[in-house]
Amino acid sequence: GAGVSQSPRYKVAKRGQDVALRCDPISGHVSLFWYQQALGQGPEFLTYFQNEAQLDKSGLPSDRFFAERPEGSVSTLKIQRTQQEDSAVYLCASSSTYLFTGGQSLNTDTQYFGPGTRLTVL
Amino acid sequence: SQQGEEDPQALSIQEGENATMNCSYKTSINNLQWYRQNSGRGLVHLILIRSNEREKHSGRLRVTLDTSKKSSSLLITASRAADTASYFCAQGGSEKLVFGKGTKLTVNP
Repeated sequence: GAGVSQSPRYKVAKRGQDVALRCDPISGHVSLFWYQQALGQGPEFLTYFQNEAQLDKSGLPSDRFFAERPEGSVSTLKIQRTQQEDSAVYLCASSSTYLFTGGQSLNTDTQYFGPGTRLTVL
Repeated sequence: SQQGEEDPQALSIQEGENATMNCSYKTSINNLQWYRQNSGRGLVHLILIRSNEREKHSGRLRVTLDTSKKSSSLLITASRAADTASYFCAQGGSEKLVFGKGTKLTVNP
């Protein structure tokens, strides 16, 4: 596809409900990122995948948040037992950057963002 | 947590005027990126400046970087109503981006 796509674009959930948010990255992009953006704030990092490997999940706010990318392309962010404080826009981004072993980056590249999923928890 | 700080938080100008937004950051960087976000198009990458660069241009955009002061500025020349958006600086890239809170720019026709 031409860009990163996310679905659904809007999700309303009742408190306690589980939700699943989908991200389709740009074809061929190795790296995939999830961010959470609260109203009036900048995006905050949640987690990062290189292919199917989740290399960093330090930004996930609690164990209710889980992300996966089983085949190294599409990713799903799942939030269990949603709370009102989970209300935010969830952004997915992909990039072609990848890391050599040892942590040296080949190229610090641009991240391309999807339109986001606006989650409202009532 | 957010490490960048944009200044001002909000800016309102007339069409045709120039807009300058500043960004300060705390840790050393490999590069700094600027993004624009509006309700119509989501978060869009504008420009990336590397730590060994001091100035970069892209169309009506000019970005400067002063690593000694840990600051960057974004200048939009001859602003248009369509430039109305929130602008964010972000450090990082290969692993994660750390964004500031953004500057909300309003360009009045």
